[in-house]
Amino acid sequence: ILNVEQSPQSLHVQEGDSTNFTCSFPSSNFYALHWYRWETAKSPEALFVMTLNGDEKKKGRISATLNTKEGYSYLYIKGSQPEDSATYLCATSPFGNEKLTFGTGTRLTIIP
Amino acid sequence: DTEVTQTPKHLVMGMTNKKSLKCEQHMGHRAMYWYKQKAKKPPELMFVYSYEKLSINESVPSRFSPECPNSSLLNLHLHALQPEDSALYLCASSQIGRGRSTETQYFGPGTRLLVL
Repeated sequence: ILNVEQSPQSLHVQEGDSTNFTCSFPSSNFYALHWYRWETAKSPEALFVMTLNGDEKKKGRISATLNTKEGYSYLYIKGSQPEDSATYLCATSPFGNEKLTFGTGTRLTIIP
Repeated sequence: DTEVTQTPKHLVMGMTNKKSLKCEQHMGHRAMYWYKQKAKKPPELMFVYSYEKLSINESVPSRFSPECPNSSLLNLHLHALQPEDSALYLCASSQIGRGRSTETQYFGPGTRLLVL
């Protein structure tokens, strides 16, 4: 993998269902993985910053895991609600550099 | 206050115009960033200021000229832009910058620019 890639590009989920999506990244020159949630016409909102292999972080119904050896992170949403509808972006930053390299995002739509 | 504000929200300009985008934060952050996002593409870093000094310039054409007059303000001066420069311009800030890879960047809502 040469770039930060996210899959799927878009996802429709029934309210109440749980879902997850993937961020894949080159494991060379990787230091930190950032997840953002971006609602239409609003500012991207930071969710998590993760660095350690095997790390898991949680914020309410949203959690994320990180595998630095194989170069991927999963974002999980439990019991989806309409307010979870947004684009979820991941980004990597190398060691000693604050530059974020973003994926193209997963656009999540929750169906009431 | 964890807000980054950007003005204007929308801007339409001709290729001969000069305009400026403004970004402001009052979180005491000392690093500020400009990103550009074209449709269906990821945001791409343009510039980073840390302690009011330009620390990263991602080979951006000189028709984009950043300015950081103080620690709370970041401007992007635009001159002689091309239609392909039409995009969403996002501003962000973080505590220090200076190579801190794990710092959270706080984003504004962006300025949507159309160049005719």
